Amino acid sequence: QVQLVESGGGVVQPGGSLRLSCAASGFTFSSCGMHWVRQAPGKGLEWVAFIRYDGINKYYADSVKGRFTISRDNSKNTLYLQMNSLRAEDTAVYYCAKGYSGDYWGQGTLVTVSS
Amino acid sequence: DIVMTQTPLSSPVTLGQPASISCRSSQSLVHSDGNTYLSWLQQRPGQPPRLLIYKISNRFSGVPDRFSGSGAGTDFTLKISRVEAEDVGVYYCMQATQFPWTFGQGTKVEIK
Repeated sequence: QVQLVESGGGVVQPGGSLRLSCAASGFTFSSCGMHWVRQAPGKGLEWVAFIRYDGINKYYADSVKGRFTISRDNSKNTLYLQMNSLRAEDTAVYYCAKGYSGDYWGQGTLVTVSS
Repeated sequence: DIVMTQTPLSSPVTLGQPASISCRSSQSLVHSDGNTYLSWLQQRPGQPPRLLIYKISNRFSGVPDRFSGSGAGTDFTLKISRVEAEDVGVYYCMQATQFPWTFGQGTKVEIK
């Protein structure tokens, strides 16, 4: 069965960096585009970034452009999100989601940006 | 960016009764490939989102047939024919026709 397991969340100070990972299994990872979506505490869903199956095309929300980088390692079936220059408003649960339309979602990892 | 607007934002429902959620997009969701990438997601309390419906009306694997989607262009609807206790949660419409993906504000379905 499809599994997506995020990790790497934690508490970080404003201006700091964090790298999230999403370990995928149960499907052909190298054939699927992947997304990161976040949800601030008590709020709705906000799309963050998308990477094509081969890693060539990447898209970002304006709110993270220039600070976050999405990448993937198809040999390790793993998706990444490098987050730099973190701000308080980046505090959220970060989910990875499979496929162009997001057919499976992970359980999420919490990122807290606070001094 | 495409703005997605859901109504109502809260829907108290009696068990066994129907529920309906509307979603309107600020522009047509018809993609150049002819598909309309409008999905509905369910988020139960404390859980991640789960795909229910994709491309307007297609139920995803394992989704009960009491859930149905309809609509076209800019106006879409999710219907639950008979609400069960496990349906409590927040429902989001989402467009994947163009980047950035955008979501509705969410509709909270609760039992009266």
